[in-house]
Amino acid sequence: GDSVTQMEGPVTLSEEAFLTINCTYTATGYPSLFWYVQYPGEGLQLLLKATKADDKGSNKGFEATYRKETTSFHLEKGSVQVSDSAVYFCALREAAGNKLTFGGGTRVLVKP
Amino acid sequence: DSGVTQTPKHLITATGQRVTLRCSPRSGDLSVYWYQQSLDQGLQFLIQYYNGEERAKGNILERFSAQQFPDLHSELNLSSLELGDSALYFCASSARDSARDQFFGPGTRLTVL
Repeated sequence: GDSVTQMEGPVTLSEEAFLTINCTYTATGYPSLFWYVQYPGEGLQLLLKATKADDKGSNKGFEATYRKETTSFHLEKGSVQVSDSAVYFCALREAAGNKLTFGGGTRVLVKP
Repeated sequence: DSGVTQTPKHLITATGQRVTLRCSPRSGDLSVYWYQQSLDQGLQFLIQYYNGEERAKGNILERFSAQQFPDLHSELNLSSLELGDSALYFCASSARDSARDQFFGPGTRLTVL
């Protein structure tokens, strides 16, 4: 079945540091890929998405590129802020399916 | 604010009891999804409804059931509760059955004592 693997946290960074969260997936066909963010005490917010190979999703300074050859969708941000402290989830949705399959989540803590 | 509302925000109950969680999708969305977030299982898909009909089923226990009403709100019923059912339950909605973007509500935190 489908699965998503992302790096375990917590990831602790200083403000303005570079952030990378690795995400790899296993799926049949050509899934859509997503990054969701969960701020403390809140629900999940869609951060960015990519629906086909080589697509780059971007939002709020975050980027991720759909790499079919390496089955990866790594999240990056060039300069993090304290307000980026949250849990980040990588997820996929099969082309013919409806449900989202999530990775285990990566907690990111940005210190001033 | 995603536009998806869930009530109650918190629920504390005892083992063996039954509870109902409610979700109202974004205006115009026809599809509702339920997910469970627990420490040991992570985020798991439970069930999807589209315009009142069950569309997909995931790792949902037989003690759990859901429905979507004509006004499109959905309820998740959890019965014979066990300690392990303690979790955050999210509802999400999307515009169509096969829409890619799902928008999540704030969740209902269930604590079973």
